[in-house]
Amino acid sequence: EVQLVESGGGLVKPGGSLRLSCAASGFTFSSYSMNWVRQAPGKGLEWVSSISSSSSYIYYADSVKGRFTISRDNAKNSLYLQMNSLRAEDTAVYYCARRWLLAGMPAFDPWGQGTLVTVSS
Amino acid sequence: DIQMTQSPSSLSASVGDRVTITCRASQSISSYLNWYQQKPGKAPKLLIYAASSLQSGVPSRFSGSGSGTDFTLTISSLQPEDFATYYCQQSYSTAVTFGPGTKVDIK
Repeated sequence: EVQLVESGGGLVKPGGSLRLSCAASGFTFSSYSMNWVRQAPGKGLEWVSSISSSSSYIYYADSVKGRFTISRDNAKNSLYLQMNSLRAEDTAVYYCARRWLLAGMPAFDPWGQGTLVTVSS
Repeated sequence: DIQMTQSPSSLSASVGDRVTITCRASQSISSYLNWYQQKPGKAPKLLIYAASSLQSGVPSRFSGSGSGTDFTLTISSLQPEDFATYYCQQSYSTAVTFGPGTKVDIK
């Protein structure tokens, strides 16, 4: 079964740091680009960052550029998101998602169950 | 960034109703349009990819259409398990963007 499991969320003070992890199983992790997507409480979905299969290409949303760092370890089938200088507006459920080419076009499938990050003093 | 809009933002419908949700992109995205379903407390689930292709395992009452800037998700006969929020997503650009969502609830 293809599965993604996030961990590492929690309560952190403004200005603090947190590292999220996403463990992949059931597919050849090293063959796929991966993404982080977040959802603030009661709000919609916001793409955060993406990383190519070999880490050659990395992209960030403007809202997190310079503060967040995406990385992966293909030997460990794991994706990471290092979040620094956290702000209240970073409070959200963070999902990891596989980028899959379907009919030659990208889609996100599957998604993990999400991990909640709360930034508050 | 490519902006995505959806209409309506919410709708109330009954079991058996035909439901149509519209998604519009701020520029042409060809068929790089996906639809997701999200239930409360759960992760989004891919329903439709490449504007009109049904993801494996998704019931055939779901269908998608459109290209360029205007797209539609249709549920031909609403079932109790379909009450959820639906998001469109453009994957034309590396910085993918999502629509604001359409919440479908019970009338």
